Amino acid sequence: EDQVTQSPEALRLQEGESSSLNCSYTVSGLRGLFWYRQDPGKGPEFLFTLYSAGEEKEKERLKATLTKKESFLHITAPKPEDSATYLCAVQARAGGYNKLIFGAGTRLAVHP
Amino acid sequence: DGGITQSPKYLFRKEGQNVTLSCEQNLNHDAMYWYRQDPGQGLRLIYYSQIVNDFQKGDIAEGYSVSREKKESFPLTVTSAQKNPTAFYLCASSPAGVYHEQYFGPGTRLTVT
Repeated sequence: EDQVTQSPEALRLQEGESSSLNCSYTVSGLRGLFWYRQDPGKGPEFLFTLYSAGEEKEKERLKATLTKKESFLHITAPKPEDSATYLCAVQARAGGYNKLIFGAGTRLAVHP
Repeated sequence: DGGITQSPKYLFRKEGQNVTLSCEQNLNHDAMYWYRQDPGQGLRLIYYSQIVNDFQKGDIAEGYSVSREKKESFPLTVTSAQKNPTAFYLCASSPAGVYHEQYFGPGTRLTVT
């Protein structure tokens, strides 16, 4: 069964304290892996797409990497405004349509 | 500005009533989706539509219905048959094809008492 697991469930960091969020997946025929940021009470905001193992994408303090079984979202020197829930989703082969399977997310809190 | 709008932001209904959530996009995307988000769980797909006048059930379609009469619009009806309707509902869209990210609206929080 296709599955996405994110860890940790929650992470508390001090401002400037770098860390990584993990997204491990089991899916037949990975077509893409997506990272989203979600603020409380709002819709997810697209961050990155990764398609193949070894690929990396960067945006400001965030860098996403992909291996054959997991992805990491590295946060370098985070600021309080980086506090949010980070969602990982994988795109699976499913009858020819764009099916995304989401993890439950990692709630990140960055304190000054 | 291109984007996805959902209305209303908050919706309150009594048990036994049907309710319709609105989703409109001006991104010229062919595909649209409805998800449900519950605390501690990943987003779950309710219905999707790849083209006007066509839609398919997702993983949790029971108790829900949709229509796709226009490319821009994909309303979701939560019927009285849905046993646990209280949730945060998210609409998304993407270009046609199978290698595209989905873009989300701001969501509607539905509370049924």
